[in-house]
Amino acid sequence: AQSVTQPDIHITVSEGASLELRCNYSYGATPYLFWYVQSPGQGLQLLLKYFSGDTLVQGIKGFEAEFKRSQSSFNLRKPSVHWSDAAEYFCAVGAKTSYDKVIFGPGTSLSVIP
Amino acid sequence: ETGVTQTPRHLVMGMTNKKSLKCEQHLGHNAMYWYKQSAKKPLELMFVYSLEERVENNSVPSRFSPECPNSSHLFLHLHTLQPEDSALYLCASSQVGGNADTQYFGPGTRLTVL
Repeated sequence: AQSVTQPDIHITVSEGASLELRCNYSYGATPYLFWYVQSPGQGLQLLLKYFSGDTLVQGIKGFEAEFKRSQSSFNLRKPSVHWSDAAEYFCAVGAKTSYDKVIFGPGTSLSVIP
Repeated sequence: ETGVTQTPRHLVMGMTNKKSLKCEQHLGHNAMYWYKQSAKKPLELMFVYSLEERVENNSVPSRFSPECPNSSHLFLHLHTLQPEDSALYLCASSQVGGNADTQYFGPGTRLTVL
């Protein structure tokens, strides 16, 4: 069965510092992987996705993620965090069934110190 | 309107009320989803409609009743809810078929059951 873990429930970084959010997945085949961000009271916005090809994926808002098959990881990174990046971040793994099934991780809450 | 819209954004209802949540997608997608997001819990998939047929019902209580009259509209009818049903209800859509694709989310309806 597919599953997603995000080891860090909450992370605090200073504005301008680099960021890495961890994501590990369990899936029997080549996974489809996603990172979403959710600002307070809002829906989820897609940051980036990996389906195949280059294992380093660029997304919106200056984020990138690297797929590492050997480690079953898909960590999200940003070189310099802005105060507006404070939000909840969800990693997800997708599977093709009769619909686009997506399993979400529990989320990592990011706080940014000015 | 673009993307996925949800109305109302906020709803307060008593346990004996009947109300409906509405979702509309303007992306030309053929699958729509209802999720429940409670505090401190991962997103819970409730219902999936693919090509206007319900293809997933994750053991959701009968007090929640979905309706998908066409590929652009999705409703969630609510009756005799319980206080533990208070949550953010998110709608999403995707284009099923071919390569795995992405779910796009609406802003959600914040539901409070008194």
